[in-house]
Amino acid sequence: DGGITQSPKYLFRKEGQNVTLSCEQNLNHDAMYWYRQDPGQGLRLIYYSQIVNDFQKGDIAEGYSVSREKKESFPLTVTSAQKNPTAFYLCASSAVRERRGNTIYFGEGSWLTVV
Amino acid sequence: KQEVTQIPAALSVPEGENLVLNCSFTDSAIYNLQWFRQDPGKGLTSLLLIQSSQREQTSGRLNASLDKSSGRSTLYIAASQPGDSATYLCAVTSWTGTASKLTFGTGTRLQVTL
Repeated sequence: DGGITQSPKYLFRKEGQNVTLSCEQNLNHDAMYWYRQDPGQGLRLIYYSQIVNDFQKGDIAEGYSVSREKKESFPLTVTSAQKNPTAFYLCASSAVRERRGNTIYFGEGSWLTVV
Repeated sequence: KQEVTQIPAALSVPEGENLVLNCSFTDSAIYNLQWFRQDPGKGLTSLLLIQSSQREQTSGRLNASLDKSSGRSTLYIAASQPGDSATYLCAVTSWTGTASKLTFGTGTRLQVTL
């Protein structure tokens, strides 16, 4: 089945540790995105990538890093510099980077908790 | 800066009722508007996408309208069912100069009771 796979579903991180969230898509989409969702707030864009080996910061990129070495993969690293990392993280992708925009598809999300 | 607002934040209705969810946005220079459904602890599922040149889109019991000039959209759900219980989010697509960007509202949490 085509779709977006995020792993792990649940992750616990100790203070000072970096963790990496995986996102893989088999939809042949050019664009991929990482969002953060906190209770009572809308989704906030962390990073996005329009093409392999290129990515741009979103609204809340501080304390996060990404890579886009393959079209199918867009991993997110939550670094120790992120002061409040406990949140629900959503990966998404869309077909092309037309101005009109296209339907965006989401993974099932990853819960990150700092312990 | 684009801002998207959804009212009400939560809504509870008995099964069978027709209902309307509201979404407003501050910058009318959008390319499209999407409505999503999110079940607790899950990702988002796209329900409807309305291009800026369109007035409405329909899918089954769902109908979404768009009034770009006034910065408003509504999602109409006919004959609600308990399975419709979820959070509904709207998002608008704008062009930043280098890429499309989605701005999300905070959602309306819907509960349909028996």
